[in-house]
Amino acid sequence: SQQGEEDPQALSIQEGENATMNCSYKTSINNLQWYRQNSGRGLVHLILIRSNEREKHSGRLRVTLDTSKKSSSLLITASRAADTASYFCATVRLGGSARQLTFGSGTQLTVLP
Amino acid sequence: EAGVAQSPRYKIIEKRQSVAFWCNPISGHATLYWYQQILGQGPKLLIQFQNNGVVDDSQLPKDRFSAERLKGVDSTLKIQPAKLEDSAVYLCASSLSYSPYEQYFGPGTRLTVT
Repeated sequence: SQQGEEDPQALSIQEGENATMNCSYKTSINNLQWYRQNSGRGLVHLILIRSNEREKHSGRLRVTLDTSKKSSSLLITASRAADTASYFCATVRLGGSARQLTFGSGTQLTVLP
Repeated sequence: EAGVAQSPRYKIIEKRQSVAFWCNPISGHATLYWYQQILGQGPKLLIQFQNNGVVDDSQLPKDRFSAERLKGVDSTLKIQPAKLEDSAVYLCASSLSYSPYEQYFGPGTRLTVT
């Protein structure tokens, strides 16, 4: 079953604008990760945020985590056409015998030149 | 560093036929995962290996799906017999350690069952 739900399902913006995607999840987590998937290709890890962290930056990416609301957001600043892809959040549940990633349903981002 | 290799990239079969997918993880990665990604959805874990042992196969439809990683390196995933609902992209991923802090994904195999 899908642990996370991304919002919106699809987002279309102009090049240079910022893009914000949200993720909600259901259970307590060890960490939350964001992945990018270009059309017809595998997923690429973008950033990981641990449950005791509230914000993390990597280049043009900014991730926030609110464990009380069980939600996270991914902000891509100054977007480029090359950022066009599907973005997935994935959670690693706290506890359990196997530390697995459970993916959400994704946000399809289109950046128009 | 070479990435995760998968083959074939595309496969079209008729229902009730069998199919096999191959994955070679990044050298030194002890943990290997197989995911199924249906169009418009996120990947769903089918099976997780640690070296050549199965860590979790709770979401693998064992009546028709099987997977092995005999020497703790490359892995095969088989479907026999295939159903229409098996049409999906099958992704292989690997990670250094048991705790998946970061997984590296292959390009996937797109399976179409007609």
